[in-house]
Amino acid sequence: EAGVAQSPRYKIIEKRQSVAFWCNPISGHATLYWYQQILGQGPKLLIQFQNNGVVDDSQLPKDRFSAERLKGVDSTLKIQPAKLEDSAVYLCASSLGISGNTIYFGEGSWLTVV
Amino acid sequence: GDSVTQTEGPVTLPERAALTLNCTYQSSYSTFLFWYVQYLNKEPELLLKSSENQETDSRGFQASPIKSDSSFHLEKPSVQLSDSAVYYCALRDFKAAGNKLTFGGGTRVLVKP
Repeated sequence: EAGVAQSPRYKIIEKRQSVAFWCNPISGHATLYWYQQILGQGPKLLIQFQNNGVVDDSQLPKDRFSAERLKGVDSTLKIQPAKLEDSAVYLCASSLGISGNTIYFGEGSWLTVV
Repeated sequence: GDSVTQTEGPVTLPERAALTLNCTYQSSYSTFLFWYVQYLNKEPELLLKSSENQETDSRGFQASPIKSDSSFHLEKPSVQLSDSAVYYCALRDFKAAGNKLTFGGGTRVLVKP
């Protein structure tokens, strides 16, 4: 079974530029998550989708971050404009549903803002 | 809100030593508890999970939720070099929007020969 796919794996941009990350969850998984993991810290949830609807985006900095999952399958996370403190790994994850199901992570997209 | 507190790292120990990583949590509702492991430059992966009052075992690791003190400590009687990683305790609160998974800050474990 294919895992969670993410791209690009690595990205270096200058501050105030924009960047977009793409995620394709495990087939059949209705719930999709974007986490931000800053070096040395645990993952922090940015946004959670159930199919194509947003369930929780309380920790998403909405002035610069946006995410969509238009058809309820793959998803895009965008940052515009980027700040130095956005340097982190952006982990996409998916699960069958929002109950106690296991969450599976992708390998992450590593962002460096210079 | 929910919170998870873990042993301050790094934890350095020799091969075959016993490992205990502490995890305590705050949540007002029923929860699922998890331990995730993250190897260097890899994504977090599930190590074990537990519903209330049920001990679980995976790859030689064990954890048993103790509701009375809101803990879910991770133990392994004899570690191997390959156990060097960062370990995250996490909880899913059934009442939170979307049953959000909240992670602790992680504990780095280094096993030396």
